[in-house]
Amino acid sequence: EAQVTQNPRYLITVTGKKLTVTCSQNMNHEYMSWYRQDPGLGLRQIYYSMNVEVTDKGDVPEGYKVSRKEKRNFPLILESPSPNQTSLYFCASRQGARAFFGQGTRLTVV
Amino acid sequence: QKEVEQDPGPLSVPEGAIVSLNCTYSNSAFQYFMWYRQYSRKGPELLMYTYSSGNKEDGRFTAQVDKSSKYISLFIRDSQPSDSATYLCATSYDKVIFGPGTSLSVIP
Repeated sequence: EAQVTQNPRYLITVTGKKLTVTCSQNMNHEYMSWYRQDPGLGLRQIYYSMNVEVTDKGDVPEGYKVSRKEKRNFPLILESPSPNQTSLYFCASRQGARAFFGQGTRLTVV
Repeated sequence: QKEVEQDPGPLSVPEGAIVSLNCTYSNSAFQYFMWYRQYSRKGPELLMYTYSSGNKEDGRFTAQVDKSSKYISLFIRDSQPSDSATYLCATSYDKVIFGPGTSLSVIP
C-alpha cells in the first residue's frame, strides 16, 4: 500500500529539548516536504526536498532543520523547541502536483 | 493578499443537500488545481485534480475551474454525513499552495 508514515503521532515535550519527527514514504517520490497546520492559517510549508541531499526552505523554516540522506526518509528536527512550535505537523511526498500526506504529528511544547 | 483564499466556514447542511465550496487565487501562473479532503485527526487526502479550466466530475463530486476569474469550486451532490470534513483547495506551479480549508458538516 502506497503511504507516507510519520512517527510519533503525538508528542509532548519541554522547551529546549531536541526532538526528531520521522517521515518515510514507499512511493519512490523524489519530492518530499514538511508542513505545519494551525487554525486559521492552513498548511504552511516548512522545508522541502527535491531529491537526496537537496533541501530548501519553505515559508516558515525558522527553528527547524531537515535532512535527506535517503530517498524514502525525510526527518524533521527541532533543535530547541519553543511553545510557538506547538502545532500539527504533516509530512508529504509529491508526484507532479499531487501530494500524499502522512497521518500527522501533534506536537505540544510546554 | 494571500495566494489562495477560501471561506473557512463552518458550513452546515442537511443530508442530501448540494454543497458548493469555493476558492479564489491570485497568481495566473498556477496551472494545477486540486481539492483535498481532511477528516478529523487525519492527513489531507487528494479528492480531485484538474489541469485546465472547465468541469471535472467524479461520482457525486464536481470540480470547476475558471482561470479567467481565478476561481475554483467543488460541488458535492446528495451530500452524506460521511462527507463531513475540512476541504482544502490547492493550486500549483512549482510548489503547491493550500487554502486554509472550509469545515463542512452534513447533518443526518
